Amino acid sequence: DAKTTQPPSMDCAEGRAANLPCNHSTISGNEYVYWYRQIHSQGPQYIIHGLKNNETNEMASLIITEDRKSSTLILPHATLRDTAVYYCIVRVLSGSARQLTFGSGTQLTVLP
Amino acid sequence: NAGVMQNPRHLVRRRGQEARLRCSPMKGHSHVYWYRQLPEEGLKFMVYLQKENIIDESGMPKERFSAEFPKEGPSILRIQQVVRGDSAAYFCASSLTRVTSGGKYYEQYFGPGTRLTVT
Repeated sequence: DAKTTQPPSMDCAEGRAANLPCNHSTISGNEYVYWYRQIHSQGPQYIIHGLKNNETNEMASLIITEDRKSSTLILPHATLRDTAVYYCIVRVLSGSARQLTFGSGTQLTVLP
Repeated sequence: NAGVMQNPRHLVRRRGQEARLRCSPMKGHSHVYWYRQLPEEGLKFMVYLQKENIIDESGMPKERFSAEFPKEGPSILRIQQVVRGDSAAYFCASSLTRVTSGGKYYEQYFGPGTRLTVT
């Protein structure tokens, strides 16, 4: 799986959009970008994934650059409950079921 | 649909005792994964199982650790002769096989974890 680079921490004001960047310059053509988050002491929670098109669901939007070397997770209206460590993971989608490789992630703190 | 269940949520063991951690996957899920999170560190993969089979145990310590996922019942992560360094949060995840136009994929859902403390 391709290596990812994320800033260690970010702050965001409550109600504003939180934009979390991720670099994955060695991503392969068959690798997807996944985002998970871990709220303190809880199990990780799946947020969203994508290949090359931008994706949106009820939790967030995922913007992937045209060259696929970086992506941004957007939480449109951050709340205090969004404070968590956010993990960007690159992995092959199809084929055998494989484990997730978590890096150190970005600690997002939403400020009141 | 109940989520992934793990028990106990907290487990205290003295050095040298055995720890048994249980994971009940989501209904219909046939893939189980175990991850460990040491204090102040990220999650590390340990083992991936399907019913009655260990598929990938590349992340499991070679000694004292074992895992099973029997035909009936929960998956069990067993740690024999625990040491202080085994103190960690152990998370289980489960997935099923989704088939889409892009192929098969396996979206993992995590349980709340078991926090093991070795005294």
